[in-house]
Amino acid sequence: EIVLTQSPGTLSLSPGERATLSCRASQSVSGSYLAWYQQRPGQAPRLLIYGASSRATGIPDRFSGSGSGTDFTLTISRLEPEDFVMYYCQQYGSSPPITFGPGTKVDIK
Amino acid sequence: QVQLQESGPGLVKPSQTLSLTCTVSGGSIGGSDYYWNWLRQPAGKGLEWVGRIYTSGITKYNPSLKSRVTISVDTSKNQFSLNLTSVTAADTAVYYCARDLLEWVSGAYYYYGMDVWGQGTTVTVSS
Repeated sequence: EIVLTQSPGTLSLSPGERATLSCRASQSVSGSYLAWYQQRPGQAPRLLIYGASSRATGIPDRFSGSGSGTDFTLTISRLEPEDFVMYYCQQYGSSPPITFGPGTKVDIK
Repeated sequence: QVQLQESGPGLVKPSQTLSLTCTVSGGSIGGSDYYWNWLRQPAGKGLEWVGRIYTSGITKYNPSLKSRVTISVDTSKNQFSLNLTSVTAADTAVYYCARDLLEWVSGAYYYYGMDVWGQGTTVTVSS
């Protein structure tokens, strides 16, 4: 089983600042199989990035993804007030097919 | 625009079976290339994938739950369902249904992520 680790657990920043979220895998993950989600309190997750770097439909271009192998990054170039929520990375693999990281919370400094 | 909606009892007694249904609207579940998933999230915790089904009926389950989980699909009703047996308090969570897509593109599989989710339904296991 591929285990995903996200860091930091909490990221404290101010609106307008740049956020860099890390997702590290215990084994190499094909970039085609790495996705990022945003989850607001009380809501279902929303797909932000798939294929490690492709933005999902309707996602603002301040969100970008990068990385390969075992290290992946979600970057939010300029934080808007609505971006201060939870973020999860997810990989598609063999067994089990789908695992998530524990999440990074972005909160207001 | 495809939408998913979970339904089922909000309270289940310990040792009983949790049964949920996800109804797909705005599109057909049958004949599509999508996979249909169940996930859950205990209060204040992260996401756990439970299992998935393809419209052909092929299923895959989380090994940690495999002995207790069954996912089925009813294309005539445009629904798929989750049964989780022998529940305990540890199964208390918000349960989500979601679709994802894995396609063969230019000689390799490409994963498009879970792009449509239900709003989630809270299931509490308690006597």
